[in-house]
Amino acid sequence: LAKTTQPISMDSYEGQEVNITCSHNNIATNDYITWYQQFPSQGPRFIIQGYKTKVTNEVASLFIPADRKSSTLSLPRVSLSDTAVYYCLVGDGDYKLSFGAGTTVTVRA
Amino acid sequence: DAGVTQSPTHLIKTRGQQVTLRCSPKSGHDTVSWYQQALGQGPQFIFQYYEEEERQRGNFPDRFSGHQFPNYSSELNVNALLLGDSALYLCASSLAATGRNEQYFGPGTRLTVT
Repeated sequence: LAKTTQPISMDSYEGQEVNITCSHNNIATNDYITWYQQFPSQGPRFIIQGYKTKVTNEVASLFIPADRKSSTLSLPRVSLSDTAVYYCLVGDGDYKLSFGAGTTVTVRA
Repeated sequence: DAGVTQSPTHLIKTRGQQVTLRCSPKSGHDTVSWYQQALGQGPQFIFQYYEEEERQRGNFPDRFSGHQFPNYSSELNVNALLLGDSALYLCASSLAATGRNEQYFGPGTRLTVT
């Protein structure tokens, strides 16, 4: 599975846009890019998944450049409840998910 | 539509004991995966069950075993508990046909080994 690198932590304020960039230089042709969100003492929650270009849903947007060696999760107008750990995963859906340490996003009032 | 449920919520065991954790997948899902999450770390894959068989296994010793029942629910068994087994154990369900990385996680079982 391709290894991912993302910042350990990010701080933001309510109403701002938060962008988390994940590096995955060794991504394979069949790999998808998936982001999960996790609150303390809860299981991770699927946020968004993409293969190339841009994907948007009601929660976030995912930007993937043409070379697919990185991706950026964009959270628009964050609120205090968006404080969580965000994980970037890369894989072809072959059974297991490989989580790294994730990015701790702290939203302040 | 019920999501993934796990039981018990919390559990305290003594070193050397055995424990069984239970998971019911999201309605319509046929695949169950188990993860261990130590404090401050990301979840680590233990194994996955599909059609009542272990389909893939992570880097965990044989003390960790599992089972999937015909109704797709699953159990995780850990024998000869060690202090290092203290963690949040997460169950995730998915639909094999999708072939993607979208799994639905339960709230987890917090296991404390003393």
